[in-house]
Amino acid sequence: AQSVTQPDIHITVSEGASLELRCNYSYGATPYLFWYVQSPGQGLQLLLKYFSGDTLVQGIKGFEAEFKRSQSSFNLRKPSVHWSDAAEYFCAVGAPGYGNKLVFGAGTILRVKS
Amino acid sequence: DAMVIQNPRYQVTQFGKPVTLSCSQTLNHNVMYWYQQKSSQAPKLLFHYYDKDFNNEADTPDNFQSRRPNTSFCFLDIRSPGLGDAAMYLCATSARLAGGNEQFFGPGTRLTVL
Repeated sequence: AQSVTQPDIHITVSEGASLELRCNYSYGATPYLFWYVQSPGQGLQLLLKYFSGDTLVQGIKGFEAEFKRSQSSFNLRKPSVHWSDAAEYFCAVGAPGYGNKLVFGAGTILRVKS
Repeated sequence: DAMVIQNPRYQVTQFGKPVTLSCSQTLNHNVMYWYQQKSSQAPKLLFHYYDKDFNNEADTPDNFQSRRPNTSFCFLDIRSPGLGDAAMYLCATSARLAGGNEQFFGPGTRLTVL
């Protein structure tokens, strides 16, 4: 079965600084990879996803993520963080042949300081 | 706008008193999911419907049931809520069950058990 690790529970960055959120997965083949964002009291919104092809994927709100098979990673990046990016970010993994079930990481809470 | 709607947004119930949470969608998606998200934890899939076919996760307690009377609506019934069932309950939909289909989430219902 697949699993997801997000090593950082909290991250604080200054507004305008760059951001990288880490995600490592465990799965025998190439999984489907997702990043979701959750603002307080809200549901999850999809930022971006990777299935195959170009390993650098662009998402909404200026986010991008890079799939690195050798490191089993799918880290989320943004070159310049805005105060409105403060939220919780979840990495999720789906497996081919596993229906459309997602396994989520524990999440990383992003704080943005002005 | 097409969306996933959850009612109520906040629900308070008493220990042992049955409670029903509601989810509706205007996306006309075939698949509907229910997730439980406890404080500071990842969303955990409870079950899903593919059309009228119900699929329970192996570790979902019997206390949790679901109904899907039509394509648009899905209900989560908790027969005898315990204090450990206090959580955010997220409903999601996807067009198909095949892996990699984007899941669209509602805003969630926060359940408090007194």
